[in-house]
Amino acid sequence: AQSVTQLGSHVSVSEGALVLLRCNYSSSVPPYLFWYVQYPNQGLQLLLKYTTGATLVKGINGFEAEFKKSETSFHLTKPSAHMSDAAEYFCAVNVGANNLFFGTGTRLTVIP
Amino acid sequence: EAQVTQNPRYLITVTGKKLTVTCSQNMNHEYMSWYRQDPGLGLRQIYYSMNVEVTDKGDVPEGYKVSRKEKRNFPLILESPSPNQTSLYFCASSLYATSGNTEAFFGQGTRLTVV
Repeated sequence: AQSVTQLGSHVSVSEGALVLLRCNYSSSVPPYLFWYVQYPNQGLQLLLKYTTGATLVKGINGFEAEFKKSETSFHLTKPSAHMSDAAEYFCAVNVGANNLFFGTGTRLTVIP
Repeated sequence: EAQVTQNPRYLITVTGKKLTVTCSQNMNHEYMSWYRQDPGLGLRQIYYSMNVEVTDKGDVPEGYKVSRKEKRNFPLILESPSPNQTSLYFCASSLYATSGNTEAFFGQGTRLTVV
């Protein structure tokens, strides 16, 4: 069975500070891993994904994530937070057939 | 413009009154699905469809029906809505049904309130 755990339902950072959103997964087979972002009153959009190959994945808006198999983690980072990054972020795992399993989400607040 | 379109965006209804939320995609995607989003629970899959006339239950299918008569449309039907179905609903589509590494495209969401 697969599952996703996002540590911290709310994270606050100052503008310009490092953003770190944590995601751990459980999967019996090599997973495909995703981060989606949801801005207020909008649907989800893809930030980045890991399928195979390079374990450090770069996405849109300066975000990146590193797949660490030994730690079963896929944490999302951004070196310098911007006010426009305030949103809810979802980690998701897919082990095939396009059935995405989502974490419970982390709401990011950016303090000016 | 490539998109997934849901209607309506907002809906308030009474217990037991049948309703349908429509979903349409213009990207010729094989795979479509419905999720509900609840605070503290993230998104949970209700139903999915791997192609026309092929649908299957997700994690929380009770109280819902779907159909996939055409590739582009995947309506969600609540035959007898109850207050515990008050939620934010999202339709999503992906290009391929069996390849798990493809991006899912989401609609804008439908906020349903059942009183």
